[in-house]
Amino acid sequence: GDSVTQMEGPVTLSEEAFLTINCTYTATGYPSLFWYVQYPGEGLQLLLKATKADDKGSNKGFEATYRKETTSFHLEKGSVQVSDSAVYFCALSDLNNGGSNYKLTFGKGTLLTVNP
Amino acid sequence: NAGVTQTPKFQVLKTGQSMTLQCAQDMNHNSMYWYRQDPGMGLRLIYYSASEGTTDKGEVPNGYNVSRLNKREFSLRLESAAPSQTSVYFCASSYRDGRGGFTDTQYFGPGTRLTVL
Repeated sequence: GDSVTQMEGPVTLSEEAFLTINCTYTATGYPSLFWYVQYPGEGLQLLLKATKADDKGSNKGFEATYRKETTSFHLEKGSVQVSDSAVYFCALSDLNNGGSNYKLTFGKGTLLTVNP
Repeated sequence: NAGVTQTPKFQVLKTGQSMTLQCAQDMNHNSMYWYRQDPGMGLRLIYYSASEGTTDKGEVPNGYNVSRLNKREFSLRLESAAPSQTSVYFCASSYRDGRGGFTDTQYFGPGTRLTVL
């Protein structure tokens, strides 16, 4: 079945440091890939997505490139801020139940803490 | 637009008690979902509803029931709560595109934190 593996946390960085959170996946077919972010006390929000190989998703300074050859979708940001402190989830979607719905498969999440 | 709303925000139950978690969306979405979030486990799908009048089991449905009351509302019921159901519960929804196809971006509510003693 589908699965997503992302790097264990927690990750602690200083402000303006470079961020990488690794994510690899296993899926049949051609899944879409996502990064969701969960700020403290809130629900998940879509951060970025990519729908096919070599696509780059980007938003709020974060980027991730869909690499089919390495089945990866690593999240990067050049200069993190304190306000980026959150839990980051990698996820994929694939057709489910004969195409009647999309099912999201999530990684376990990576807690990022950015110190001033 | 309020987006996806959930009630209550917090709840404490005793083992064996029952309760219903409410979810509503005002985005005219067709599909709705219930997830639970546990430390170190990510989010796991409990049940989903592809459209009004249909529901299907997800990864961890045991101990739960759902009702898709109408297009807006999707409730999750615990008939006899157990400590293993202590978790944070998230509702989500997704829409169809202009051609009627399903889309895979989901929109989440703020969650319900449930503790079962």
